[in-house]
Amino acid sequence: DGGITQSPKYLFRKEGQNVTLSCEQNLNHDAMYWYRQDPGQGLRLIYYSQIVNDFQKGDIAEGYSVSREKKESFPLTVTSAQKNPTAFYLCASSIKGPKVRGGELFFGEGSRLTVL
Amino acid sequence: AQKITQTQPGMFVQEKEAVTLDCTYDTSDQSYGLFWYKQPSSGEMIFLIYQGSYDEQNATEGRYSLNFQKARKSANLVISASQLGDSAMYFCAMSYITQGGSEKLVFGKGTKLTVNP
Repeated sequence: DGGITQSPKYLFRKEGQNVTLSCEQNLNHDAMYWYRQDPGQGLRLIYYSQIVNDFQKGDIAEGYSVSREKKESFPLTVTSAQKNPTAFYLCASSIKGPKVRGGELFFGEGSRLTVL
Repeated sequence: AQKITQTQPGMFVQEKEAVTLDCTYDTSDQSYGLFWYKQPSSGEMIFLIYQGSYDEQNATEGRYSLNFQKARKSANLVISASQLGDSAMYFCAMSYITQGGSEKLVFGKGTKLTVNP
């Protein structure tokens, strides 16, 4: 079945450590996104990529980094520079552009990162 | 700047009744899309319904309908015949095209719906 796979689902790290969250999709979508969700808040865009080897900063990119070496994969690294990394992270993908069903986003199941 | 406002942090509804979740948006663009997503306690985001800014008819998907009032910039979600499984967070979102030609989606803060038996 086609979809988006995020791993790990739960992750614990010590303060000051970098951590990488995996996101893989087999939907053949061009665009991929990373969102952060805090309790009682909506989703905030961290980074997005419309095409392989290209990505743009979202609204809260500081302390995060990404790569897009393959169409299927868009890993997110939470670096030690991120001051408050404990959050729920959601990866999403969409067919490029808003022309098909409005370019709806398909989401993974999320990764919950807790920094101790 | 594009913005979504959901003014109801929480809503309660009796099973089998209808409920309306409010959403207002702010944009100066003429072309945009409006979405509703459902987030159960498990965390995944489930797409419910979409309305394009040029669509003249309100979108419907099964028990979900979107009450689109363009002049008021509102895009309320109506759930008919509520079920216990409808209990979840509901997010309104708007897609728009940036100056660089990328598509972005901005989300509201959500409404927590509780369906009572």
